[in-house]
Amino acid sequence: DIVMTQTPLSLPVTPGEPASISCRSSQTLLDAEDGNTYLDWYLQKPGQSPQLLIHTFSARASGVPDRFSGSGSGTNFTLRISRVEAEDVGIYYCMQRLKFPFTFGPGTKVDIK
Amino acid sequence: QVQLVESGGGVVQPGKSLRLSCAASGFTFSNYGMHWVRQAPGKGPEWLAVISYDGSNEYYADSVVGRFTISRDNSRNTQYLQMNSLRLEDTAVYYCAKDRRPGIHGMDVWGQGTTVTVSS
Repeated sequence: DIVMTQTPLSLPVTPGEPASISCRSSQTLLDAEDGNTYLDWYLQKPGQSPQLLIHTFSARASGVPDRFSGSGSGTNFTLRISRVEAEDVGIYYCMQRLKFPFTFGPGTKVDIK
Repeated sequence: QVQLVESGGGVVQPGKSLRLSCAASGFTFSNYGMHWVRQAPGKGPEWLAVISYDGSNEYYADSVVGRFTISRDNSRNTQYLQMNSLRLEDTAVYYCAKDRRPGIHGMDVWGQGTTVTVSS
């Protein structure tokens, strides 16, 4: 199985300031056949189900504010929040879907300082 | 709007069986792959299984292969997860999730989950 890791595991943030989370996979998530990179980002707000933020490493899901962006390639990826808002607190997970079984990172807990 | 409602969770003894259901609405169910994902208390999500739009293909996590079976009834807009030989470590919130677009492309909308507790 593809193993996903994330850093940091905890991230205190200041509203209005930027924040970034790193995600690394144990093998490339680039599909050589179609050229797509199969890495998604989810946010699980307190008491809620996970919600899709970013798919295919850099495409924002429908309705996601443009302060969220995804970047990276191969095995190294980053989720950036340009200006954190109070509603962004929760646990952020990266997930690979290049190969079955899909696998999630351990999560990064974001809270307000 | 898209809605997924899971049901069927509860308390069950080790070794017993349980069937979860997920009722879908707000989209053309028969066009989309459907997933089950679970989350044990205090842990991150664990993807379990996916079924293709027409039920012809299924894929499973190693932790449930041979014990869990995913299925769907497109006439009822419902998918199922049959869970047999339940273990203590199967205790979790079980989520139903819709694929992002026709085919199998990862999950976009998730239900609110149903809780399964395996306990003697």
